[in-house]
Amino acid sequence: GNSVTQMEGPVTLSEEAFLTINCTYTATGYPSLFWYVQYPGEGLQLLLKATKADDKGSNKGFEATYRKETTSFHLEKGSVQVSDSAVYFCALSDYGGSQGNLIFGKGTKLSVKP
Amino acid sequence: EAQVTQNPRYLITVTGKKLTVTCSQNMNHEYMSWYRQDPGLGLRQIYYSMNVEVTDKGDVPEGYKVSRKEKRNFPLILESPSPNQTSLYFCASSLVAGSNYEQYFGPGTRLTVT
Repeated sequence: GNSVTQMEGPVTLSEEAFLTINCTYTATGYPSLFWYVQYPGEGLQLLLKATKADDKGSNKGFEATYRKETTSFHLEKGSVQVSDSAVYFCALSDYGGSQGNLIFGKGTKLSVKP
Repeated sequence: EAQVTQNPRYLITVTGKKLTVTCSQNMNHEYMSWYRQDPGLGLRQIYYSMNVEVTDKGDVPEGYKVSRKEKRNFPLILESPSPNQTSLYFCASSLVAGSNYEQYFGPGTRLTVT
């Protein structure tokens, strides 16, 4: 079945450091890929998405490229801020069916120190 | 303001005492869904609804019921809660089910069953 694997956390970085959170997926068909962010005490918010191979999603300085050949969707940011501290979830949606389900990774907690 | 609301935000109850967690969205979305979030497991879908009076099981439906009598509301019902249902619950909605449509999440309901 469909699944998402993302790097274990927690990840602790200093402000202005480079961030990479790895995400790989297993899916039949042609899934759309997402990164969601969960700030402390809040629900999930869509950070970025890509709907087909080689698409690059970007938002708030974060980027991720849909790599079909490596089945990956790694999240990157060139210079993190304290305000980026949150839990990040990689997810896929296989809309070959009609369930509308998002398959989530386990989440990676990021802490950014000043 | 476009939003998904959930009530209550926090609930402590005892085994076997029926409870309902409400979910409401003000965006006229057709698709609504419930997820539970557990440490090390990420988010898993419990039930979803493609439209009014149309509901179906997600990946972990055991012990839960839902109803969709109005487009805006999608309550989650635990008829006889058990300790293994202690979790953080999220309601989500989107315009329709489809990869191009963002899912909007509520703030979460933290449930403890003793």
